[in-house]
Amino acid sequence: GEDVEQSLFLSVREGDSSVINCTYTDSSSTYLYWYKQEPGAGLQLLTYIFSNMDMKQDQRLTVLLNKKDKHLSLRIADTQTGDSAIYFCAEITDRGSTLGRLYFGRGTQLTVWP
Amino acid sequence: EAQVTQNPRYLITVTGKKLTVTCSQNMNHEYMSWYRQDPGLGLRQIYYSMNVEVTDKGDVPEGYKVSRKEKRNFPLILESPSPNQTSLYFCASREQGQAYGYTFGSGTRLTVV
Repeated sequence: GEDVEQSLFLSVREGDSSVINCTYTDSSSTYLYWYKQEPGAGLQLLTYIFSNMDMKQDQRLTVLLNKKDKHLSLRIADTQTGDSAIYFCAEITDRGSTLGRLYFGRGTQLTVWP
Repeated sequence: EAQVTQNPRYLITVTGKKLTVTCSQNMNHEYMSWYRQDPGLGLRQIYYSMNVEVTDKGDVPEGYKVSRKEKRNFPLILESPSPNQTSLYFCASREQGQAYGYTFGSGTRLTVV
């Protein structure tokens, strides 16, 4: 399968910015996603970015994509304790044999300290 | 409300006793998929389906079966569950356009003893 890598843990203080990083290997990725999983809950789509974009901003969330380096990041401004969750990076490719499949990283556990 | 519904939410069973986890979506999505989530491993795809009667293996299909007789339903079948199938399972569906990713069910926590 495709490789999507994330660091496993990140701790920040409330009010600081959080940056969660992700790298992927498939150059044919079309869309890249960030999902959030709160304790005991399912996956919530936070945001996505198309592979021909460099940046996308949505309120406190900023997604940066460096397609050359295959690097994706999620920045959360003014991080709150309610942002504590696991964040998954994911990609979809458009290659024929894997069309429409969603590949996930292992998830980054974000802990926000008051 | 548009949603993916999985049942049951929690299940404890014994080794070898066949079980089915149901998944139903009301969004007329063509694509459906099953994932398992294990600590430190993220989500791994078990099986997926691109439409009715079209299914294919994901990355970890061993010990699982699926069927897609109707567009809305995509059950996951464990013919002879084993303890290494203890996991959190998610069903997901997706509409034709990729931009919206998948809609996920709430998960089924399965324990096989």
